[in-house]
Amino acid sequence: ILNVEQSPQSLHVQEGDSTNFTCSFPSSNFYALHWYRWETAKSPEALFVMTLNGDEKKKGRISATLNTKEGYSYLYIKGSQPEDSATYLCAREYGNKLVFGAGTILRVKS
Amino acid sequence: EAGVAQSPRYKIIEKRQSVAFWCNPISGHATLYWYQQILGQGPKLLIQFQNNGVVDDSQLPKDRFSAERLKGVDSTLKIQPAKLEDSAVYLCASSWGGYNSPLHFGNGTRLTVT
Repeated sequence: ILNVEQSPQSLHVQEGDSTNFTCSFPSSNFYALHWYRWETAKSPEALFVMTLNGDEKKKGRISATLNTKEGYSYLYIKGSQPEDSATYLCAREYGNKLVFGAGTILRVKS
Repeated sequence: EAGVAQSPRYKIIEKRQSVAFWCNPISGHATLYWYQQILGQGPKLLIQFQNNGVVDDSQLPKDRFSAERLKGVDSTLKIQPAKLEDSAVYLCASSWGGYNSPLHFGNGTRLTVT
């Protein structure tokens, strides 16, 4: 089954809070896991493409980890800012195809 | 580099009418994707092109949706006739192709069918 689950569905935090979301996926025949950020009225933007078990990637205040054996990835945001408000999508590669989760909607209040 | 261009940004049509969306990918990107994103769901792949050949169109409702990629560059997606359930954001994306290539998305077209 090509299923990618994301939790929570939505999250409201205060400016300065740190937060994290989860992406769960079938672990067999793993190729890669992608994270995208989609701000309102803009196009989705690639954050990370992760391939190796135990991989950890960082971009500014955002970081992600990958566990391919148990089939999950975490996205962390340290010291959330209002400009971090967006929908965060993860997607698993199946061969030459990307299957997306439904996303986590993050709202950061100032 | 210039991004993925899509038009129109918004479209409102009545059911049973037809509509077309246009996409111009990043220059040199071999792979082009059309995704449909219904509110509350993740983007669903409708069709994937490699140059001007179709790689995957297994989830394209072929009785009403059609797509083509002209000379391996621009692409159009058409819906004829539209149904209420086609209301969604239609995203075009492109990539270099191959494993681990991030997708570059356009701004999308928000379609409302009344």
